[in-house]
Amino acid sequence: DTGVSQDPRHKITKRGQNVTFRCDPISEHNRLYWYRQTLGQGPEFLTYFQNEAQLEKSRLLSDRFSAERPKGSFSTLEIQRTEQGDSAMYLCASSSSWWTSGSGQETQYFGPGTRLLVL
Amino acid sequence: GENVEQHPSTLSVQEGDSAVIKCTYSDSASNYFPWYKQELGKRPQLIIDIRSNVGEKKDQRIAVTLNKTAKHFSLHITETQPEDSAVYFCAATGYSTLTFGKGTMLLVSP
Repeated sequence: DTGVSQDPRHKITKRGQNVTFRCDPISEHNRLYWYRQTLGQGPEFLTYFQNEAQLEKSRLLSDRFSAERPKGSFSTLEIQRTEQGDSAMYLCASSSSWWTSGSGQETQYFGPGTRLLVL
Repeated sequence: GENVEQHPSTLSVQEGDSAVIKCTYSDSASNYFPWYKQELGKRPQLIIDIRSNVGEKKDQRIAVTLNKTAKHFSLHITETQPEDSAVYFCAATGYSTLTFGKGTMLLVSP
């Protein structure tokens, strides 16, 4: 499968615990995004990377959230001291920079998501 | 920042009818407008997109129109089929991050 993959697909944790999610983008994509989606809402931007550099973080992103992309390939999203309000689907997406894609397009391809439930 | 409004939140049609979903955006710098389809429990999948230098784009039964002056864009699905039933999201971006609408649940009855 050459699409975006995420692991785990489901995570149940107790309030106060730390959790870490992984995203493997499409191999030739240099941009990687994290979104959060709650029921009945569209995906909400959290942060994105171009290669290994984290270029933007949402103002809504709590200090308990941290993301890394150490070698410009896969990325991890860690949530420390989880709260019940963190329960959501965490989606990862990847794309090429528009100036490298050649077509002027910057389509973001989404992974299947990690569904987090905080008890 | 960008704000995207999407209407209606729910749309029910009979098979074979047309469906139209409308979105407005706030940031005049936005220049790329994708539409995603998300079936229950699955990932969002791109169905069509449009850039700001184009007013309309078609792909078989799906079309998107863009009015830059009014800052709104619309998705048109003709000859709807039951398999078109899903949640549809519009989005807008100027450079990198996508801002999504809240989604439209489309129900196509046989």
